[in-house]
Amino acid sequence: AQTVTQSQPEMSVQEAETVTLSCTYDTSESDYYLFWYKQPPSRQMILVIRQEAYKQQNATENRFSVNFQKAAKSFSLKISDSQLGDAAMYFCAYRSPPNSGNTPLVFGKGTRLSVIA
Amino acid sequence: GAVVSQHPSWVICKSGTSVKIECRSLDFQATTMFWYRQFPKQSLMLMATSNEGSKATYEQGVEKDKFLINHASLTLSTLTVTSAHPEDSSFYICSARSGAYQPQHFGDGTRLSIL
Repeated sequence: AQTVTQSQPEMSVQEAETVTLSCTYDTSESDYYLFWYKQPPSRQMILVIRQEAYKQQNATENRFSVNFQKAAKSFSLKISDSQLGDAAMYFCAYRSPPNSGNTPLVFGKGTRLSVIA
Repeated sequence: GAVVSQHPSWVICKSGTSVKIECRSLDFQATTMFWYRQFPKQSLMLMATSNEGSKATYEQGVEKDKFLINHASLTLSTLTVTSAHPEDSSFYICSARSGAYQPQHFGDGTRLSIL
């Protein structure tokens, strides 16, 4: 079974600075999807960014970008120009290829990010 | 687009009662729905996966007689917590997608408190 590991339970960053959240995963599959979700205090799950494993280019969404290292099975999230609204719980998630069954998202334990004004 | 509505958002009930949580896809047909449980300050744990018209597939350790899941239509799935007890208190989140290659969309969750 696939596992997702987030080794940083908590992180903090100064407003306007950059922070990187770590994520590693374990899989024997070659084709899969990786995601970062944000969960603010409202507990709504918000998709931040996604990456297809077959794509070598790192995904970016405005201030959010990933460093995808397939061989190392690493998928870190970089938040640039951090804003107070970025404070939340961040979950890294893995999804198997669609042709392998129901393929639900498998989540890491999360990293709580605090943004300091 | 791709809105998932979950109801109720918060429910408090007495021990021994049954509670039903609804999950609706408002603007797409959800061929697959997922139910997650989240304890405070913890991650989302998958409880079960349901495909429209089929019986739900439960994860190991989840009591299917305690957590009844029905996915009777392409826009509605329900989770019924039967004979609820305080240890069933948790945050329950549903998620839905319209196809195998489509992303999962999440409801806003239901906070269940059993007294």
